[in-house]
Amino acid sequence: ILNVEQSPQSLHVQEGDSTNFTCSFPSSNFYALHWYRWETAKSPEALFVMTLNGDEKKKGRISATLNTKEGYSYLYIKGSQPEDSATYLCAFGTGTASKLTFGTGTRLQVTL
Amino acid sequence: AAGVIQSPRHLIKEKRETATLKCYPIPRHDTVYWYQQGPGQDPQFLISFYEKMQSDKGSIPDRFSAQQFSDYHSELTMSSLELGDSALYFCASSLEGITGKGEKLFFGSGTQLSVL
Repeated sequence: ILNVEQSPQSLHVQEGDSTNFTCSFPSSNFYALHWYRWETAKSPEALFVMTLNGDEKKKGRISATLNTKEGYSYLYIKGSQPEDSATYLCAFGTGTASKLTFGTGTRLQVTL
Repeated sequence: AAGVIQSPRHLIKEKRETATLKCYPIPRHDTVYWYQQGPGQDPQFLISFYEKMQSDKGSIPDRFSAQQFSDYHSELTMSSLELGDSALYFCASSLEGITGKGEKLFFGSGTQLSVL
């Protein structure tokens, strides 16, 4: 059983704050790490797919880094806005499986 | 742009009944995945299909079956429903479906199944 852990479970920040959260995954048999944003009443939306150790991806105010040797990825949000409020899911993919193992997510709430 | 379409959005069934969920992937996507998310739980992989053949199987009960048809849509059929089957069922599609190898998933809006 693959164990993908995300921390913190939930986070409450003020508008304008920058924040980050962590996804931990097995460091062996790594192939890809996905980040998804899941807003309430909507379906998950892909943010990033990272496949190489040291990868850094950026999309607007959101960025992510990847360390496959130690088995973690960070997601950063700069200058949080209320529309960033969502659950952020990471998912780990191995080279020998055609499925992703999802973490439990970090629920972010951004208030004015 | 066309997205993944799931139907119905909501489904209410009695115990021991059968439910069938449908998923229409994004055009040209050749792979479909089914995930189950119980209340307060992370999504659990059920089953996937690549080019109409089952490609991988997760924690799917024997009471559940699924298939992908010639037009690439997929159906998940759940028989002898139990209360614990109440969950949000997501379908996702991707292209060249070896997810885990860098292709991101596109998710449908989900079907909320309630078993009474």
